[in-house]
Amino acid sequence: EAEVAQSPRYKITEKSQAVAFWCDPISGHATLYWYRQILGQGPELLVQFQDESVVDDSQLPKDRFSAERLKGVDSTLKIQPAELGDSAMYLCASSLRAGFMPETQYFGPGTRLLVL
Amino acid sequence: KNQVEQSPQSLIILEGKNCTLQCNYTVSPFSNLRWYKQDTGRGPVSLTIMTFSENTKSNGRYTATLDADTKQSSLHITASQLSDSASYICVVSPNQAGTALIFGKGTTLSVSS
Repeated sequence: EAEVAQSPRYKITEKSQAVAFWCDPISGHATLYWYRQILGQGPELLVQFQDESVVDDSQLPKDRFSAERLKGVDSTLKIQPAELGDSAMYLCASSLRAGFMPETQYFGPGTRLLVL
Repeated sequence: KNQVEQSPQSLIILEGKNCTLQCNYTVSPFSNLRWYKQDTGRGPVSLTIMTFSENTKSNGRYTATLDADTKQSSLHITASQLSDSASYICVVSPNQAGTALIFGKGTTLSVSS
């Protein structure tokens, strides 16, 4: 069964350093999401792509976070500089295409980030 | 403010027993409600998706109900198994496309033998 791939699975970094996470959605899925999940909380949407275009990045802290999906397939989320409060699980999800019917979002295993 | 509240926060049950998890939401407009299962250290996995016109939907031993009038949903787990130990997250979408999902904090279920 096709899955969303993410790497790395775990990342430890010091504050003020740069970190990058990678996501490869399920083949053929046009919509890609990046979420942040703080321990004990539900996921919070950071950015949503439709193909290579950003359709929602209203919750993305743009002073330090950036995301790209240059060819409309895989995606990279970057944090520079990392802060202690960025410690969380970063989840990537994909769906066939956000449209008029509710689409199931398939989540990857996540990248757990610890900022020291 | 759009919110999704889940109860209880955590629950411990014996293997083989049934349980029901609750979800109340104040999201408006409302399009659909989802239940996800999240194993520790893993991403959430979709269990059910219900639109406002659906009252119940099943997925194996999982049955979700929706009352759009009272803005309540429940997830019933029948004959629990050890593998059901996970966090169960209620998610509400205000649009048909299912984007802009609003997540609850989840109920942590522990099934013991």
